[in-house]
Amino acid sequence: QKEVEQDPGPLSVPEGAIVSLNCTYSNSAFQYFMWYRQYSRKGPELLMYTYSSGNKEDGRFTAQVDKSSKYISLFIRDSQPSDSATYLCAMAGYNFNKFYFGSGTKLNVKP
Amino acid sequence: DTEVTQTPKHLVMGMTNKKSLKCEQHMGHRAMYWYKQKAKKPPELMFVYSYEKLSINESVPSRFSPECPNSSLLNLHLHALQPEDSALYLCASSPPGKNRGTTEAFFGQGTRLTVV
Repeated sequence: QKEVEQDPGPLSVPEGAIVSLNCTYSNSAFQYFMWYRQYSRKGPELLMYTYSSGNKEDGRFTAQVDKSSKYISLFIRDSQPSDSATYLCAMAGYNFNKFYFGSGTKLNVKP
Repeated sequence: DTEVTQTPKHLVMGMTNKKSLKCEQHMGHRAMYWYKQKAKKPPELMFVYSYEKLSINESVPSRFSPECPNSSLLNLHLHALQPEDSALYLCASSPPGKNRGTTEAFFGQGTRLTVV
């Protein structure tokens, strides 16, 4: 079983839609949950991260962690064409020396 | 300064060449990482340095040799690479893991390496 599972997509939505991206994981030791956005031919950039369970909101982006279900989500409200990218979830244990990425979900927001 | 800077951005090298990738950060982060990313795949961890000491080596071939000369710099020395080593090489850094409130991972833009 993989440490982190993420649907590769692609996910295609119209501009203005609410996007839901998800990951599941198997390692209950994970404490940090991150979302990265990667544009074509660029390195992944950190979008948001949360520690342990709960929600975190930043502008149009909301990250949710449900540790009981080992499930994390990233919601994008009022999606824009500029949001078109690959979104990778990543997770790490408490000491953060090593973190695991999901396979990435490719998102396409159509004008 | 909240950047991780990698040089060069692009590198083409022959299989007999020796080259080095460089990574620099001035955020006081004490954990630095090298990742390899192939097309359409997530980044794969290669090496982790914690307080300038190599703590994790993910079974990387010896033709890749990391070096951390000080807390701000991370190098990856390349020698006798193979065409299948062509990839995007990403450097990342993060603050000391004991400090919960500031744990973030910052990535550089990567060096796109082509081995011919």
